[in-house]
Amino acid sequence: DADVTQTPRNRITKTGKRIMLECSQTKGHDRMYWYRQDPGLGLRLIYYSFDVKDINKGEISDGYSVSRQAQAKFSLSLESAIPNQTALYFCATSDRDRGYRNEQFFGPGTRLTVL
Amino acid sequence: AQSVTQLDSQVPVFEEAPVELRCNYSSSVSVYLFWYVQYPNQGLQLLLKYLSGSTLVKGINGFEAEFNKSQTSFHLRKPSVHISDTAEYFCAVTRNTGGFKTIFGAGTRLFVKA
Repeated sequence: DADVTQTPRNRITKTGKRIMLECSQTKGHDRMYWYRQDPGLGLRLIYYSFDVKDINKGEISDGYSVSRQAQAKFSLSLESAIPNQTALYFCATSDRDRGYRNEQFFGPGTRLTVL
Repeated sequence: AQSVTQLDSQVPVFEEAPVELRCNYSSSVSVYLFWYVQYPNQGLQLLLKYLSGSTLVKGINGFEAEFNKSQTSFHLRKPSVHISDTAEYFCAVTRNTGGFKTIFGAGTRLFVKA
């Protein structure tokens, strides 16, 4: 079974619609992240959460919001989707122990298309 | 400021040939360095990481990387590639002080030809 799962895997929506992407993990990690991947730009951090009550903006948080419902769940919402939010979205987790040394574990991604 | 530059967007190479994927970074504080690989239609997975100590780091699938502090580089190498190494490779930098910040490079697409 996958340690980090994302739903849906693919989504097509229209401009102005609200959409939620969900992430669940069974790794027992405290830290969770949302990234978007665009060709030629690599991954850019949208939001991150170091525990249920600690949520922080990343470098491109405008137009997005998040919710950490439990240690294992971290959702990303687009309140009013726009075409330039078309991208591949990844959720990731990392262990709190040993600080920032730890690698991140990625989900399989959600491909979002906004028409 | 912190930045990561992957110097090649695409690297075509024949099977069994050596390959080097280049990564340069800049940071005002000390950093940890990572290489991740992304196979088609999958998430990223760790190849190797440099935290401290020996500057030559060995990872999975026969890859290795060398940290060069004076040149602020962390190039990834493999002496003999296989078709199955075809993937996108990302260099990432995480600062080790002053709050969390990880920056990923734009990626290098390695294409191994038969």
